[in-house]
Amino acid sequence: NAGVTQTPKFQVLKTGQSMTLQCAQDMNHEYMSWYRQDPGMGLRLIHYSVGAGITDQGEVPNGYNVSRSTTEDFPLRLLSAAPSQTSVYFCASSYVTGDAYEQYFGPGTRLTVT
Amino acid sequence: AQSVAQPEDQVNVAEGNPLTVKCTYSVSGNPYLFWYVQYPNRGLQFLLKYITGDNLVKGSYGFEAEFNKSQTSFHLKKPSALVSDSALYFCAGSGNTGKLIFGQGTTLQVKP
Repeated sequence: NAGVTQTPKFQVLKTGQSMTLQCAQDMNHEYMSWYRQDPGMGLRLIHYSVGAGITDQGEVPNGYNVSRSTTEDFPLRLLSAAPSQTSVYFCASSYVTGDAYEQYFGPGTRLTVT
Repeated sequence: AQSVAQPEDQVNVAEGNPLTVKCTYSVSGNPYLFWYVQYPNRGLQFLLKYITGDNLVKGSYGFEAEFNKSQTSFHLKKPSALVSDSALYFCAGSGNTGKLIFGQGTTLQVKP
């Protein structure tokens, strides 16, 4: 049971480039989410999904896109990278919605945009 | 607006002493409250949660947290700190929106 996996672990992009951060879970969790972690700001929710084919925006969705074609995968796309998107990105999953169930986090992707 | 606050950026405690990491919340409806720990260059790990029932919640690694509805607090505690407890701790909560809100995080430093 690998839990929640994320690739890549590190990435450097130039301003304007696009890329996809991968996230997968093997626990058959319905709920998946993406957060970004910035110093002194905790974790902020970018997008989330309550099941395959269903996604919704979180607190800071601008500049990011998601899709959920399968239960296992929840990729995060940066459409046109900006220096303000330099951050550590975490994917998480839980059994149902994120309210009453603890979330399981991936190891994170450290992204630098120059 | 819903919010979770951790008023201390850093907590310093000597090994063997009790520790407390503070958290207050403001959520609509019944609160669901969580504590997570993050070790350097790692993802967050779940420690404990309050959903309903007993106000004192016990979790992993000897940690516990006390839910206080009147003070809207959910402080994390441990009777005897270990150097290995040094890490970044996050409080998180959700109400009837279903979205989890995180506090800013508190760095716990336990010195030998």
